[in-house]
Amino acid sequence: SQKIEQNSEALNIQEGKTATLTCNYTNYSPAYLQWYRQDPGRGPVFLLLIRENEKEKRKERLKVTFDTTLKQSLFHITASQPADSATYLCALAPYGGATNKLIFGTGTLLAVQP
Amino acid sequence: EAGVTQFPSHSVIEKGQTVTLRCDPISGHDNLYWYRRVMGKEIKFLLHFVKESKQDESGMPNNRFLAERTGGTYSTLKVQPAELEDSGVYFCASSWLAGGGEQYFGPGTRLTVT
Repeated sequence: SQKIEQNSEALNIQEGKTATLTCNYTNYSPAYLQWYRQDPGRGPVFLLLIRENEKEKRKERLKVTFDTTLKQSLFHITASQPADSATYLCALAPYGGATNKLIFGTGTLLAVQP
Repeated sequence: EAGVTQFPSHSVIEKGQTVTLRCDPISGHDNLYWYRRVMGKEIKFLLHFVKESKQDESGMPNNRFLAERTGGTYSTLKVQPAELEDSGVYFCASSWLAGGGEQYFGPGTRLTVT
């Protein structure tokens, strides 16, 4: 069956360290994969998109990698800050295209301690 | 630029009643999506409009759910009659037709069926 798995347990790290979140998927061949941030009581906010032919994407303190052989994406936040505390969602577009529905993982709760 | 808005933010109804949720997408976004998150589960796709046409409604749970998008602008999602298992947070998202794939989410409507 098709599945997207993220670290089910909360990730606690110290301020200034690098947070690494994992997204694994099975039985999909996505054209691209996205990462979203969600705060309590709010909708997901788009962070980064990485395509199947890209290995790595960066935006400020964020970095995403995409390994289609391992069927895995890693999401890194460097020099983490308490304000980075939130739930981070991995989402993939199963069929490609700009008008595609998204399939979400359950999310990983990140807590950055000051 | 105004973001995606949803109304109401919270609705509490009794089993058997009808509820209508509304979504106003970002102006100019032809793609409009509905998603739902039930307690403890991942966000799941319900359906996708391109302008006023339903492009994909494969995620709609059953025929108690009816979505419309009048004139390709705002969208409504009606649940009639509501059942207990319909409780959850309903998110609306929108995107450009020729966009890069990222979706812009509203804050969600929390529906509680008692």
